[in-house]
Amino acid sequence: EVQLVESGGGLVQPGGSLRLSCAASGFTFSSYWMTWVRQAPGKGLEWVASIKQDGSEKYHVDSAKGRFTISRDNAKNLLFLQMSSLRAEDTAVYYCARDSAGTIDSWGQGTLVTVSS
Amino acid sequence: QSALTQPASVSGSPGQSITISCTGTSSDVGNYNLVSWYQQHPGKAPKLMIYEVDKRPSGVSNRFSGSKSGNTASLTISGLQAEDEADYYCCSYAGNSAWVFGGGTKVTVL
Repeated sequence: EVQLVESGGGLVQPGGSLRLSCAASGFTFSSYWMTWVRQAPGKGLEWVASIKQDGSEKYHVDSAKGRFTISRDNAKNLLFLQMSSLRAEDTAVYYCARDSAGTIDSWGQGTLVTVSS
Repeated sequence: QSALTQPASVSGSPGQSITISCTGTSSDVGNYNLVSWYQQHPGKAPKLMIYEVDKRPSGVSNRFSGSKSGNTASLTISGLQAEDEADYYCCSYAGNSAWVFGGGTKVTVL
């Protein structure tokens, strides 16, 4: 069974930094693109970033470029999202998700990031 | 990357059929057969219901079906049931390893 468990969320002040982690199990982590998707309170889903199986390609939504960085550790089956220069509008539940041949097919339960003073 | 356009809400009585539309552009929905649909109940993670326009994952009821014409994709739920009440999101690949989601549709079972 595919399992994705996010951690690292919390309350952070505007301008601060946070690193999210996602522990993957139940599948061959190194064989899949991985993705972060976020959902602001009461709002819809927004793609944030994706990373290739070997980490050689990374893509971020325009609003996150230069502030967020996606990375992975295939030896430990971990996905990360390093976030800096955080803004109030980054407040959201952040989901770790698996990309299976062009479909985001599995999701974690999410971790809440709140940016507020 | 602009969000795909979905109706804010759709409702139907038990047993009826409803259809949710998802309109994009020739750069996303119209250019790729990589449209998926997700069901999300309050406080829960999204669940994949349809992928590659019209395919159903194992375990998803055949009451759910998908289609696409031009830049618009659609999700149809037939034989509407109380448990189908949820938010539904469409998603399309948009090139350069980016994804775009719809704004979401709240389905209400009357």
